[in-house]
Amino acid sequence: QVQLVESGGGVVQPGRSLRLSCAASGFTFSSYTMHWVRQAPGKGLEWVALISHDGSNKYYADSVKGRFTISRDNSKNTVDLQMDSLRGEDTAVYYCARDNSWYRATYIQYWGQGTLVTVSS
Amino acid sequence: DIQMTQSPSSLSASVGDRVTITCQASQDINKYLNWYQQKPGKAPKLLIYDASNLETGVPSRFSGSGSGTDFTFTINSLQPEDIATYYCQQYDSIPRFGPGTKVDIK
Repeated sequence: QVQLVESGGGVVQPGRSLRLSCAASGFTFSSYTMHWVRQAPGKGLEWVALISHDGSNKYYADSVKGRFTISRDNSKNTVDLQMDSLRGEDTAVYYCARDNSWYRATYIQYWGQGTLVTVSS
Repeated sequence: DIQMTQSPSSLSASVGDRVTITCQASQDINKYLNWYQQKPGKAPKLLIYDASNLETGVPSRFSGSGSGTDFTFTINSLQPEDIATYYCQQYDSIPRFGPGTKVDIK
């Protein structure tokens, strides 16, 4: 069965960096677009970034563009989110998610359990 | 950027009631619209994709319709386990979620 397991969350000071990782299993990882979606405490879902199956296409929400970088390693079945220049408003549960498509965003069929990132001094 | 609105933001209904949520896009998104259910403390779950297609394993009391800018999500007979927040999401351009509709039992 499809499994997505996030790691790397924690407490970080404003302006610092954090790297999230997602380990995927149960499907042919290199065939699917992957996403990061976040949810601030008590708030709605916010799409953050996506990467196409081979890493050739990456897209970001305006709120993180220039600060966050999504990457993937198809040999290790992992997708990462490098988060730099963190701000308080980046505090959220971050979900790793798998799209139905190989090259673009369509619908998200599978989600991880989420990892909490808290940006605070 | 395509903006998404949902209404109502919350609702209370009785078990067995028909519940309807609307989602509006700021521009034509064809049928590139999905619906998710999220229960407290849990990851979202896909219910409807491409405006009206029921995801495998999802009960048939859930349905979706619409195209262009106006979409509707319906629960035909509300059950206690349907208590959750429901989000629409467009993918005509970069993905964007609606603000959500919280559904409670009256």
